Formats: sequence, C-alpha cells, structure tokens
Amino acid sequence: GDSVTQMEGPVTLSEEAFLTINCTYTATGYPSLFWYVQYPGEGLQLLLKATKADDKGSNKGFEATYRKETTSFHLEKGSVQVSDSAVYFCALRREWGSQGNLIFGKGTKLSVKP
Amino acid sequence: EAQVTQNPRYLITVTGKKLTVTCSQNMNHEYMSWYRQDPGLGLRQIYYSMNVEATDKGDVPEGYKVSRKEKRNFPLILESPSPNQTSLYFCASNPTVSSYEQYFGPGTRLTVT
Repeated sequence: GDSVTQMEGPVTLSEEAFLTINCTYTATGYPSLFWYVQYPGEGLQLLLKATKADDKGSNKGFEATYRKETTSFHLEKGSVQVSDSAVYFCALRREWGSQGNLIFGKGTKLSVKP
Repeated sequence: EAQVTQNPRYLITVTGKKLTVTCSQNMNHEYMSWYRQDPGLGLRQIYYSMNVEATDKGDVPEGYKVSRKEKRNFPLILESPSPNQTSLYFCASNPTVSSYEQYFGPGTRLTVT
C-alpha cells in the first residue's frame, strides 16, 4: 500500500545550520506531496506542498522538490532558527480514490540550539 | 477567526466509560476527519466525512464511532474505551475532499486507565 518514510529523529542543529529532512514515498499514480509542521502543544499546519513531478514547494525559507524518479520530497532550509524547532511530517495524498485523506510519515523532531 | 476547535483538550478516563470528543469548524468546510497520533507511528486516520450524513472508515476505525448531523460538527465517540486508545487525537477539515490543505484542531490528549 501507499506509504511515506522519513528520516528518524530527533535532529539537533545549531542556529544558522543547514537542514535536510529526508522523505521518500511509495504510491501508485501521481500523489500530491506535503510537509506539515507541528509546534509544541499545537495541531499540524501545512508548511508547503507540491502536486506534480518537478514542482518545488516553498514557504518560510523551507523548500522541497517533488522528484518522481527517486520518489522523494526532501525538506531543506538554508539557515535554521530556534523558532523552527518543531516536529515535521511528510505526507502524501493519493491521486485516485483518496477520500481526501493523507498518509503521514512518522515525523521528525527538530531541535535548534542558539 | 477561522479555526477548528476540539473539546476537551485533555481527558483521563477509565476503561469502558463512554466518552465523546467534540470537533467543530467555522469555515463551512465539507470534509472533516479524525486522526490519532502515536509515538513512532505518525498520524493515522480514524474516520472521515465528505459531508453531512456521509461518514466512512479510515485506516484505524475499530473502537470508534462518528456522526455528522450538522456541517460544522464531527464528534468522535468511544463507546467502551480501552487502554490501547490512549493517544493524541486530532480533528481536521478541508473545504472539499479535493482541497489540498487540511486545517487541524489543537488536539485532545486522551488517557484510558
């Protein structure tokens, strides 16, 4: 079945370091891909999305490119801040018969130290 | 303010005592769903609703019920809670089933002893 695999955490970085969180997926057809962020004590918020191959989603300095050839959607940020500390979830939505639901990865906790 | 609200935010209960977690959205969204979040498992969908009086099972529906009598409300019902339903629960809504962004509530932390 469809699935999302993302790198295990936690990830601890110093402020201004470069961030990569790997995400790969398995799905039939052409899913849409998402990154959601969960700040402590809050629900999930959409960070960025890509709906077709080679699309690049970007928001708040974060970027991810939909790579169909490698079935990947890695999240990157050039210079992280303490305020980026959160749990990041990669997710896909199937192209057909999805009933709108998202398939989530297990989440990667990011801690950024000053 | 556009939002999804859930109540209660925290609940401790005992095995077998029926409970309801409420979810309400003020955005006139058609699609609503419930997820549970467990460590190491991410979020898994419990039930969803495409519109009023239209509900269906997600990936982990066992032990749960839902109803959608009004567009804005989508309560989650545990008729006989068990300890394996201890989890963090999120309600979410989309404008329509094909909309890309889901709007999540703040979560309900449930402990069943």
